Amino acid sequence: DTGVSQNPRHKITKRGQNVTFRCDPISEHNRLYWYRQTLGQGPEFLTYFQNEAQLEKSRLLSDRFSAERPKGSFSTLEIQRTEQGDSAMYLCASSPGVPQETQYFGPGTRLLVL
Amino acid sequence: AQTVTQSQPEMSVQEAETVTLSCTYDTSESDYYLFWYKQPPSRQMILVIRQEAYKQQNATENRFSVNFQKAAKSFSLKISDSQLGDAAMYFCAYRSAPTGNQFYFGTGTSLTVIP
Repeated sequence: DTGVSQNPRHKITKRGQNVTFRCDPISEHNRLYWYRQTLGQGPEFLTYFQNEAQLEKSRLLSDRFSAERPKGSFSTLEIQRTEQGDSAMYLCASSPGVPQETQYFGPGTRLLVL
Repeated sequence: AQTVTQSQPEMSVQEAETVTLSCTYDTSESDYYLFWYKQPPSRQMILVIRQEAYKQQNATENRFSVNFQKAAKSFSLKISDSQLGDAAMYFCAYRSAPTGNQFYFGTGTSLTVIP
C-alpha cells in the first residue's frame, strides 16, 4: 500500500492556460474524491467517482472544471482557462467504500495562477 | 446542505496535558458518519478518529477520544497526554449515510503544543 499519490505537487501557470492534475488512488479503493482547499479553510468537495462512474459533480466550481476516471483507476482533474481565483490546493482522496467510508488523502497539488 | 462548524480557529495545549476541540454540525438526517482529520504543516491529511451516528458509544483511538452528543449535534475531540507531534490543523467532517456522496468539512482548528 503506497498511499494516494498526486502529480504534480506544484503547478505555476499563467491566467488563461489549461492545467491537468493526476491522482492515483490506493489500488483496491473504488471511490475517489476531489477537493479544493484554500488557505485557512477546510477542504471543499468538488466531485466523486465510484469506479469509473462520476456520481456527483454538481459541486464542481464552474464548467471550466472537469474530471475523469476512465478505467476506474487513476483520475484527472482539468481546469480550463485558469483564473487567479483558481489558486488553491487540490486534494484527492480515495476510500474502499461502505461501510468503511474512511478517506485516505493524497499530498495535494498546489496551483498558483499568475 | 449540511454545515460543519468549528468555532475555535486556534487552540494551544501544554505538552502532556489534555485539550478538547469543538465541532458542531447541522443536519436533518439520522444516519451519518463523523470524522476528525489531522493535517500537519505541509503534510497530507490523515484520519484521527471516526464515529457512526447510530452508535451510542463514543469512539476512542489511543490518546484520542470523542464526545458525541447526537441530540445536541456536537462532536468534540479530546486529545490526552498531548505530544509535540499532535501540533496540526484539525478538521471535523460529516458524511451522510451510505447513499451520501459528499463530505462536508469544517474550517479547522490549529492546535499548538507548547513544550
